[in-house]
Amino acid sequence: KAGVTQTPRYLIKTRGQQVTLSCSPISGHRSVSWYQQTPGQGLQFLFEYFSETQRNKGNFPGRFSGRQFSNSRSEMNVSTLELGDSALYLCASSATGVGGYTFGSGTRLTVV
Amino acid sequence: DQQVKQNSPSLSVQEGRISILNCDYTNSMFDYFLWYKKYPAEGPTFLISISSIKDKNEDGRFTVFLNKSAKHLSLHIVPSQPGDSAVYFCAASAQTGANNLFFGTGTRLTVIP
Repeated sequence: KAGVTQTPRYLIKTRGQQVTLSCSPISGHRSVSWYQQTPGQGLQFLFEYFSETQRNKGNFPGRFSGRQFSNSRSEMNVSTLELGDSALYLCASSATGVGGYTFGSGTRLTVV
Repeated sequence: DQQVKQNSPSLSVQEGRISILNCDYTNSMFDYFLWYKKYPAEGPTFLISISSIKDKNEDGRFTVFLNKSAKHLSLHIVPSQPGDSAVYFCAASAQTGANNLFFGTGTRLTVIP
């Protein structure tokens, strides 16, 4: 079956702009989580959506937001981009949230 | 504040020998631990997990050991193979199965043929 699909794979944006990233989970998976990976910090949890509701949120500023649609697809939005937002953004899905989440290949965002 | 720490950024091991990757955590509420493997340009792949009610979990060549009193876990790979070369992340959760995982910064394992 198809894995977790993230689009686009690469993105270059200018400081101050906003960006939307997309994630299509594995069919049947209702939980979608987003993570930010940077070289010095490793993977950091952004938020989790389950059945269109945000269930958990990490320690990121309000510029980072997300949503989930009725088909479980999720989008993540970052407004007023800063240079420090340059990172690999990973999406993970699971059926209920019980361990072993499947990750997508990520979207590499570069802010210039 | 890094609640999950992998203090060795890299590790090199000869093919056929044992690889031991270590992970320490500070939050005593963590009750579920996972190891992920990551190749370049790919997302992390789930490897093995352990619940805090156990101290060992084995899956083929991979074994995870948990020492709750020391807040330490380790991943043993025996025997190591060149295809195991990747970055390994340890992760922890304060609710079994919850998706808000706390990750370490990773250890790059190189298995030398």
